[in-house]
Amino acid sequence: EAQVTQNPRYLITVTGKKLTVTCSQNMNHEYMSWYRQDPGLGLRQIYYSMNVEVTDKGDVPEGYKVSRKEKRNFPLILESPSPNQTSLYFCASSSSRGAEQYFGAGTRLSVL
Amino acid sequence: DQQVKQNSPSLSVQEGRISILNCDYTNSMFDYFLWYKKYPAEGPTFLISISSIKDKNEDGRFTVFLNKSAKHLSLHIVPSQPGDSAVYFCAASEMYSGGGADGLTFGKGTHLIIQP
Repeated sequence: EAQVTQNPRYLITVTGKKLTVTCSQNMNHEYMSWYRQDPGLGLRQIYYSMNVEVTDKGDVPEGYKVSRKEKRNFPLILESPSPNQTSLYFCASSSSRGAEQYFGAGTRLSVL
Repeated sequence: DQQVKQNSPSLSVQEGRISILNCDYTNSMFDYFLWYKKYPAEGPTFLISISSIKDKNEDGRFTVFLNKSAKHLSLHIVPSQPGDSAVYFCAASEMYSGGGADGLTFGKGTHLIIQP
């Protein structure tokens, strides 16, 4: 079954404690992306990757890092989380940059 | 600067009637438009799309209309069913023109509520 898998689904952490949210897709997609969803703000892109070792900033990259060492994986790293990063995060992938994207189920993060 | 706008945060429609969700865009380079549906606690799922060379695309109860001159698209759901209650996101991209490396640009969403 074609899918995008994110882990964990729920995470509560404290300010400053580094964390990683993993994302994996099994569709051999070249394009992957991270979004955050906040009330009244819709989906905002954090980072995207057009292929292995190629990543770039989206609209709200501050406080986040990503890596793309393998085609299937695109982890999101918060080196020093802060309360304003409390949000719902989605990973997505697509066959090309403008095509329909397939989304993971989401990771709800709370930073205390 | 918001390039894709959904001006109605919510919409309430009676079951069996037509639901019309609207979306406006400002970037004339957009050539591919999509609608996504999102239930609580799930990721958005792709619903229907349309390229800029068409003005209508239909898939079962869902039809998307594109008016390029007005930079406007709409999603029609007929007839509306209780399971259609969800948040709907409009999205756009420069898929065919080769631009827009950042992929899809999303609107803020419209919460559709189907009343029994």
